[in-house]
Amino acid sequence: NAGVMQNPRHLVRRRGQEARLRCSPMKGHSHVYWYRQLPEEGLKFMVYLQKENIIDESGMPKERFSAEFPKEGPSILRIQQVVRGDSAAYFCASSAADRETQYFGPGTRLLVL
Amino acid sequence: QKEVEQNSGPLSVPEGAIASLNCTYSDRGSQSFFWYRQYSGKSPELIMFIYSNGDKEDGRFTAQLNKASQYVSLLIRDSQPSDSATYLCAVNTGNQFYFGTGTSLTVIP
Repeated sequence: NAGVMQNPRHLVRRRGQEARLRCSPMKGHSHVYWYRQLPEEGLKFMVYLQKENIIDESGMPKERFSAEFPKEGPSILRIQQVVRGDSAAYFCASSAADRETQYFGPGTRLLVL
Repeated sequence: QKEVEQNSGPLSVPEGAIASLNCTYSDRGSQSFFWYRQYSGKSPELIMFIYSNGDKEDGRFTAQLNKASQYVSLLIRDSQPSDSATYLCAVNTGNQFYFGTGTSLTVIP
């Protein structure tokens, strides 16, 4: 019974490097959401994708951040030229439809040195 | 105005007591409502969802929804130390999920 999978679980990058975070949704789910959580803060919506489509990216910074969910393979959140402020936990969630319950993956903890 | 507001707490209750967690939302068009539990350093875990006005019970948990007052609550009966966590309220407006900042609950043995 595979739930939402994310990798890596922990990622360390130096300032200026690129970070790639992967998310495989739960079996049968075609909707993927990415969230960022800073220490002691709530979940902040970043982007909502379906296969090969970005549905809502209103929460994503306009520069350096991009997301995709290709026809084959996991969804990827890409952060270019990382800065220390990007250090956070990034959670992926999936649902079967856009009004259905979301289930979360274990998250990727990104640390930028 | 935040889409979803929760009292950040911390809320402390003795073991065996009822813990009451509250949440208000701003969008009257919101369609579905969720409670997640998040342990420190872990990912959010779904506890309950509710779509209709009234109460919904699942074991020791009861979710209450009042759309007229734009209010959602979660009651935890017979609180256990293992219930100590941050509880996140989430609202689906049809376009997006919005999360509150969470209420920290501590159950004292």
